[in-house]
Amino acid sequence: DTGVSQDPRHKITKRGQNVTFRCDPISEHNRLYWYRQTLGQGPEFLTYFQNEAQLEKSRLLSDRFSAERPKGSFSTLEIQRTEQGDSAMYLCASSPSIGGLAAQETQYFGPGTRLLVL
Amino acid sequence: SQQGEEDPQALSIQEGENATMNCSYKTSINNLQWYRQNSGRGLVHLILIRSNEREKHSGRLRVTLDTSKKSSSLLITASRAADTASYFCATTGSGNTGKLIFGQGTTLQVKP
Repeated sequence: DTGVSQDPRHKITKRGQNVTFRCDPISEHNRLYWYRQTLGQGPEFLTYFQNEAQLEKSRLLSDRFSAERPKGSFSTLEIQRTEQGDSAMYLCASSPSIGGLAAQETQYFGPGTRLLVL
Repeated sequence: SQQGEEDPQALSIQEGENATMNCSYKTSINNLQWYRQNSGRGLVHLILIRSNEREKHSGRLRVTLDTSKKSSSLLITASRAADTASYFCATTGSGNTGKLIFGQGTTLQVKP
């Protein structure tokens, strides 16, 4: 399978615990995005990487959230001291920076990690 | 924050009928895209229309864009039960990050 993969698919944790999610983008896609989606809403942008550089962070990304993409391939999103309000689906997407403009602007999404904080 | 509103929030039709969903946005855009999401899963890109285009077709999909009204519509013709999903419009702005700003989505149910 050459699509975007995310691990784990589901995570249940207790308030105050730390959690880490992993995203493996489509190989050779050097743009990687994280979004958060709550029930009944559209996804909200969290952060963006071009290769290993984190180029944009949303104000939604409090200091409890940190994302990395150390080698420009997979990415991790860590949430420290989880709160019940962090319960959501965390989506990862990737896109290429070569090819036609339309190809660069199309994002390919993973299946998401559903987080439940008790 | 969400880009704008989608209308209707929910739509239920019979197989074979057409489905129309509308999307409004607030800021200037480079392009507008439509994505589909099956229940509890990731999003799939459907179609992209640029800010200088007015209409675009792809198979059973037809998208229109009216930048003066900051609105777009998605028409699915001859709907099938497999079209049952949530549909989201998303815009990209003038920056070069490509980040998507999504609407709240329309939930479409196509009854067989």
